[in-house]
Amino acid sequence: DIVMTQSPDSLAVSLGGRATINCKSSQTILFTSNNRESLAWYQQKPGQPPRLLIYGASGAFTRDSGVPDRFSGSGSGTDFTLTINTLQTEDVAVYYCQQYYAVPLTFGGGTRVEIK
Amino acid sequence: QVHLQQSGPGLLKPSQTLSLTCAISGDSVSSNTDAWNWIRQSPSRGLEWLGRTYYRSEWHNDYAVSVKGRITISPDTSKNQFSLQLNSVTPEDTAVYYCARGWAISNWGQGTLVTVSS
Repeated sequence: DIVMTQSPDSLAVSLGGRATINCKSSQTILFTSNNRESLAWYQQKPGQPPRLLIYGASGAFTRDSGVPDRFSGSGSGTDFTLTINTLQTEDVAVYYCQQYYAVPLTFGGGTRVEIK
Repeated sequence: QVHLQQSGPGLLKPSQTLSLTCAISGDSVSSNTDAWNWIRQSPSRGLEWLGRTYYRSEWHNDYAVSVKGRITISPDTSKNQFSLQLNSVTPEDTAVYYCARGWAISNWGQGTLVTVSS
């Protein structure tokens, strides 16, 4: 199985600040046929299912429909990053990474983002 | 707009069978580009993918090793839905269960809290 390791477990950021969440995969998850990293990021608020924020596109990461542009994804190989710029109160949530390169689909352990 | 609506009981006794259904609107369970998953979430296991069904000229299934032998995911094309059966449940199967669409999961059901307790 591909193991997804997130860091940190939690972080507190000032309103308007930047949050950076890291995700490391235990092997590469690049589909060479279409040059897409098979990595997605989700946001989950209490009592709700996860919401897809970002997924791999050809040579880059793209936001799902309706996701604000303060959310961005980057990385390659086995190291990936979710960045939230200009943190808003509605961004308080737990964030997960997930690989869809191979089954079983696997998720990171989550990173809780709070307001400092 | 794709919507997934889950149904099924939330309280089971050990050794019983968990059965959940996910009704799809806005897409087809027979889509040649999508996959239909069951995922569960618990404090001890986090988000855990259980399996999927998908159609590519014929039906395919993949299952997690942790539940293989106990799990069946089945499409129902006449009702445009898919279902989860998990046999011989134990308290360790207590979790919120989600049906979900995609590889990167673009759509989730509302979630069903399943509690296994005697």
